[in-house]
Amino acid sequence: EPEVTQTPSHQVTQMGQEVILRCVPISNHLYFYWYRQILGQKVEFLVSFYNNEISEKSEIFDDQFSVERPDGSNFTLKIRSTKLEDSAMYFCASSVGNTIYFGEGSWLTVV
Amino acid sequence: GENVEQHPSTLSVQEGDSAVIKCTYSDSASNYFPWYKQELGKRPQLIIDIRSNVGEKKDQRIAVTLNKTAKHFSLHITETQPEDSAVYFCAASSLSGGGADGLTFGKGTHLIIQP
Repeated sequence: EPEVTQTPSHQVTQMGQEVILRCVPISNHLYFYWYRQILGQKVEFLVSFYNNEISEKSEIFDDQFSVERPDGSNFTLKIRSTKLEDSAMYFCASSVGNTIYFGEGSWLTVV
Repeated sequence: GENVEQHPSTLSVQEGDSAVIKCTYSDSASNYFPWYKQELGKRPQLIIDIRSNVGEKKDQRIAVTLNKTAKHFSLHITETQPEDSAVYFCAASSLSGGGADGLTFGKGTHLIIQP
């Protein structure tokens, strides 16, 4: 069964550093998403992306965040200047039609 | 924006008994309601979903009911097994065009199946 794949699985970064999380959505999917989950809390929507542009974003997705689809397969989330509170699991997801499929996540630790 | 409330936060049931998790939503425009199961350290996995044009949907031991008027939906798991132990999240969004808008999740229910 096709899966959403994410890299890295775990990254530790210094506060203030830039981080790029990478995702390969399922190949025939048209909508791409980033969600985050702080340890022990619920999954929170960050941004959705369709037709090479952001279609929706949450209040969490401020100017420090950006997304890009640099080629036909990758979908990236960039955090420009990480803060301690950015420490979380970041899930990429993709969909075609109704069903949203999540990747295994990238665990980001900001120290 | 949408707000999803989920109860209970923890549910402990005896193996073989049924479990019910309830959610309410606020935005009447929401028309898609998936349920995800998340095991510790793993990704959320879709277990069942329902659209607003349907009142109930069943898949083996799992069923979901939707009451649009009251804006609430519930997950029912019958004949619970140890492998059902996990955190379950409800979510809501609206479907537009060819895909779903961002999901708004509930806070999750930690389901514990007692042997």
